[in-house]
Amino acid sequence: DQQVKQNSPSLSVQEGRISILNCDYTNSMFDYFLWYKKYPAEGPTFLISISSIKDKNEDGRFTVFLNKSAKHLSLHIVPSQPGDSAVYFCAASEKYGGATNKLIFGTGTLLAVQP
Amino acid sequence: NAGVMQNPRHLVRRRGQEARLRCSPMKGHSHVYWYRQLPEEGLKFMVYLQKENIIDESGMPKERFSAEFPKEGPSILRIQQVVRGDSAAYFCASSPLTGTDTEAFFGQGTRLTVV
Repeated sequence: DQQVKQNSPSLSVQEGRISILNCDYTNSMFDYFLWYKKYPAEGPTFLISISSIKDKNEDGRFTVFLNKSAKHLSLHIVPSQPGDSAVYFCAASEKYGGATNKLIFGTGTLLAVQP
Repeated sequence: NAGVMQNPRHLVRRRGQEARLRCSPMKGHSHVYWYRQLPEEGLKFMVYLQKENIIDESGMPKERFSAEFPKEGPSILRIQQVVRGDSAAYFCASSPLTGTDTEAFFGQGTRLTVV
């Protein structure tokens, strides 16, 4: 039972353009959502998060949008840079309602930013 | 402030041997989470521990796997009688308190290869 889904295994974008990575979830108890970036042979690095009481959170070039009714979130990176090329994981937790940082991850999207 | 430290980075074991993976959380963090990433998959939650307590082990296989986080020293993930299917990257994450705005930080992982 995949509670967090990333349906695009890969995405290729030109440098300077916008990258949009999508994520869907099924568990309505999730109240906190995160995006992690991962390079090969390294651990995931936290990028940005959003709680379920918000619909948007922005940090520099990264913006996360949350649509609770659709159980969908997306990560926008603009402008995209070659150094952004990595695997991006969407994750969710019951951080507030369940008082846990236990994360449920999607399967990841490999982003390739072409110079 | 050192990050989450995992060792060894790479571990090779023959079938039937034991594997011990260590995780030292960030200073001041008393919560540890273990995740496993099989090839071509996302990270899967295994176990959540606080000092001397297992809080949630819902993701742990029922046999051969155990975890501990003693009062002193690192958290240990132990796999007895390893099989080829245990080959994966094992990641540890730590956080200070649940329900806070602080994210869990990941170590660089231990790559276990069973031959």
